[in-house]
Amino acid sequence: EAGVAQSPRYKIIEKRQSVAFWCNPISGHATLYWYQQILGQGPKLLIQFQNNGVVDDSQLPKDRFSAERLKGVDSTLKIQPAKLEDSAVYLCASSLQAPDVQYFGAGTRLSVL
Amino acid sequence: AQSVTQPDIHITVSEGASLELRCNYSYGATPYLFWYVQSPGQGLQLLLKYFSGDTLVQGIKGFEAEFKRSQSSFNLRKPSVHWSDAAEYFCAGGSSNTGKLIFGQGTTLQVKP
Repeated sequence: EAGVAQSPRYKIIEKRQSVAFWCNPISGHATLYWYQQILGQGPKLLIQFQNNGVVDDSQLPKDRFSAERLKGVDSTLKIQPAKLEDSAVYLCASSLQAPDVQYFGAGTRLSVL
Repeated sequence: AQSVTQPDIHITVSEGASLELRCNYSYGATPYLFWYVQSPGQGLQLLLKYFSGDTLVQGIKGFEAEFKRSQSSFNLRKPSVHWSDAAEYFCAGGSSNTGKLIFGQGTTLQVKP
């Protein structure tokens, strides 16, 4: 069974630029999560989707971050414009349903200069 | 507020020695509890989970954890550590409603030869 796929693995941008991350969950998983992991900290949930609907986006900085999950499968997380403090690893996870075990992708490491 | 605390930021043990990583949670009801491991540049891999039932949970790679409601703890143990166990370990609590995970700050495990 294929795992959660994320791309790109690494991204370096300058502040005020925009960036997008892509996630393909495990086939059949209805729930998809995006987490932000700042160096030295545990992951923090940004947004949770159930199929293509948002369940929780309370910690998503909506003035600059957006996410969508069209057709209830792949998802894209966008940052526009990026700030220095957005430097982090962005992890995507999926689960069959919620609550359930979450399976994580390898993440995208973002560096904002 | 819901929280998960890992009191030890960094632990060093000798190869072959026993290991215990501490985790304390604060939730209104009993949360789902997880331990994940993260190697450098990798995503999070599930070690074990507790949803209900037997309070001693067995996981992969010889790890186990015990849920103690009276102490609000879910400590991870391994009787004999291998050099390949060096990594970062995260404890997480999940909402039984939404599945949202709250992670501890992580414990970095170093294994001495």
